[in-house]
Amino acid sequence: GEDVEQSLFLSVREGDSSVINCTYTDSSSTYLYWYKQEPGAGLQLLTYIFSNMDMKQDQRLTVLLNKKDKHLSLRIADTQTGDSAIYFCAERNPGNNRKLIWGLGTSLAVNP
Amino acid sequence: ETGVTQSPTHLIKTRGQQVTLRCSSQSGHNTVSWYQQALGQGPQFIFQYYREEENGRGNFPPRFSGLQFPNYSSELNVNALELDDSALYLCASTLAGGTGELFFGEGSRLTVL
Repeated sequence: GEDVEQSLFLSVREGDSSVINCTYTDSSSTYLYWYKQEPGAGLQLLTYIFSNMDMKQDQRLTVLLNKKDKHLSLRIADTQTGDSAIYFCAERNPGNNRKLIWGLGTSLAVNP
Repeated sequence: ETGVTQSPTHLIKTRGQQVTLRCSSQSGHNTVSWYQQALGQGPQFIFQYYREEENGRGNFPPRFSGLQFPNYSSELNVNALELDDSALYLCASTLAGGTGELFFGEGSRLTVL
């Protein structure tokens, strides 16, 4: 079945690292994405990882993929107040015209 | 700045009315998809258009319909509006193939009273 799950809330202190976790069910997913949504705004792609990769690093962002457990995580180093937003995990379904399946989003609160 | 613009940004309709939402995609992006995002939820896939034809649809009734035009613009039409149609409607464009990265507009927030 199609299901992407995320924890709903995460609170961290400014300067700490944030780790947002996601699990998915479709083992045939080709790409997995992390999107950020600030209040009242659309969705902004942060990063993505191809399914044959274990890790991808992009400046303060590190994505880890455990394909065996179908687990994806996003680590934000040195979290800033501007990182406060909702973070969505999404998987690309190669079968159904490559639509994206989305989690419900993790609301990240960064406290000064 | 994603190069995807949507209009209107906000609108209010009453139950039973019809609405048309518009999207202008990036030049060269021949695939456009529409998503519905209810408050506190993740985006739900409505449908996708490729070269002006629908080539994928989510679990939405036929009263949700769309059009894609050769100039990379598209429309989402919803007939016989229901209260549960109140949501943020997001348009996203992409190049067919590749990583499938979606470029989203800011959305149109529809309220049905």
